[in-house]
Amino acid sequence: SQQGEEDPQALSIQEGENATMNCSYKTSINNLQWYRQNSGRGLVHLILIRSNEREKHSGRLRVTLDTSKKSSSLLITASRAADTASYFCATALTDSWGKLQFGAGTQVVVTP
Amino acid sequence: DTGVSQDPRHKITKRGQNVTFRCDPISEHNRLYWYRQTLGQGPEFLTYFQNEAQLEKSRLLSDRFSAERPKGSFSTLEIQRTEQGDSAMYLCASSLALNSGQSSYEQYFGPGTRLTVT
Repeated sequence: SQQGEEDPQALSIQEGENATMNCSYKTSINNLQWYRQNSGRGLVHLILIRSNEREKHSGRLRVTLDTSKKSSSLLITASRAADTASYFCATALTDSWGKLQFGAGTQVVVTP
Repeated sequence: DTGVSQDPRHKITKRGQNVTFRCDPISEHNRLYWYRQTLGQGPEFLTYFQNEAQLEKSRLLSDRFSAERPKGSFSTLEIQRTEQGDSAMYLCASSLALNSGQSSYEQYFGPGTRLTVT
């Protein structure tokens, strides 16, 4: 079963705009990670936020985590056409030895 | 940096045949994971190794599936008597765990093996 659920399922924006996507999960986590996947290819790790952290930045990415609401958000600022991809949140449960549970993803299309 | 590699990239097989996939993780990584991904979905965990020990298997992994990681290096995933429902992308990932506990770390994924069962 998939632990995380992303919202929205799809997002279409123009270059330069910001893209925000949300992830909700169900059980207690060790950390939450965001991954990007370009069409039909492997996943690339973007950012990891631990359960005791509330916000993290990496370049144009900003991730927040609210453990009381069991939710996270990923913000991509000043989007580029190259950001077109599917974005997945993945949760690592507290007793999971690191296995990740992924949501179904948000498909982001950035048009020039 | 060679990254995680998987072979083959694509496999077409007839129902009932056996297939084997190989994953070569990043050389210093001690943890290796297999996931399966179907169209429009996120990856689903199949199994996990720490060094050569297989520590966890998903209930998704039926008796037809077996995975090995001899000597704690590369890993193989074998599917026996393939069924059309096995058609999916099989992803391998590796990570470096700095302790032997249950902490989790970022995972590095390979490009995947796309299996089509006809």
